Amino acid sequence: DADVTQTPRNRITKTGKRIMLECSQTKGHDRMYWYRQDPGLGLRLIYYSFDVKDINKGEISDGYSVSRQAQAKFSLSLESAIPNQTALYFCATSHVQPQHFGDGTRLSIL
Amino acid sequence: SQQGEEDPQALSIQEGENATMNCSYKTSINNLQWYRQNSGRGLVHLILIRSNEREKHSGRLRVTLDTSKKSSSLLITASRAADTASYFCATDHAGNMLTFGGGTRLMVKP
Repeated sequence: DADVTQTPRNRITKTGKRIMLECSQTKGHDRMYWYRQDPGLGLRLIYYSFDVKDINKGEISDGYSVSRQAQAKFSLSLESAIPNQTALYFCATSHVQPQHFGDGTRLSIL
Repeated sequence: SQQGEEDPQALSIQEGENATMNCSYKTSINNLQWYRQNSGRGLVHLILIRSNEREKHSGRLRVTLDTSKKSSSLLITASRAADTASYFCATDHAGNMLTFGGGTRLMVKP
């Protein structure tokens, strides 16, 4: 079983819908991160959390929110999805460094 | 904004040849990391080099760091078809946040 699991793996939805992407980990790491990847670009940080009561904005947090439900669970929400949020989304965890990634959620917003 | 920039953006070589990828960054770092991404998968950590290190080896991988030039290189020796992937450098500047470059797409032809 994967150490960092993302669900769903693929999602197609419509503009204006609320979407939640979920991430769970079995690595016992305190730190969790959400990134998005656009074609030809590297990863950009959306939000990160260093423990259950800690939430921090990353480089591109506008239009997104997160919830750290437990040490092992970190979810990303798009309150009202728009087409330019179409991207590949990755969750990652770490103790300090390096980071360990899930296999991503491919999100398409029509 | 992307801190690291990889060069070249794409590289195609024959199996058995060496592959060299370069990364440049703009501000001082704590460490620099290289990750590999296979198609449709998450990133996998390859190697971390600290700012006070100049060279590091891991199997067929050799990483160098020149902090005076703000650059790093990743050398893969005796490449294999299985090395076909995208390779990203990521810089850790402060607070253990990573900033990723746009990646180098490596194709190794059998």
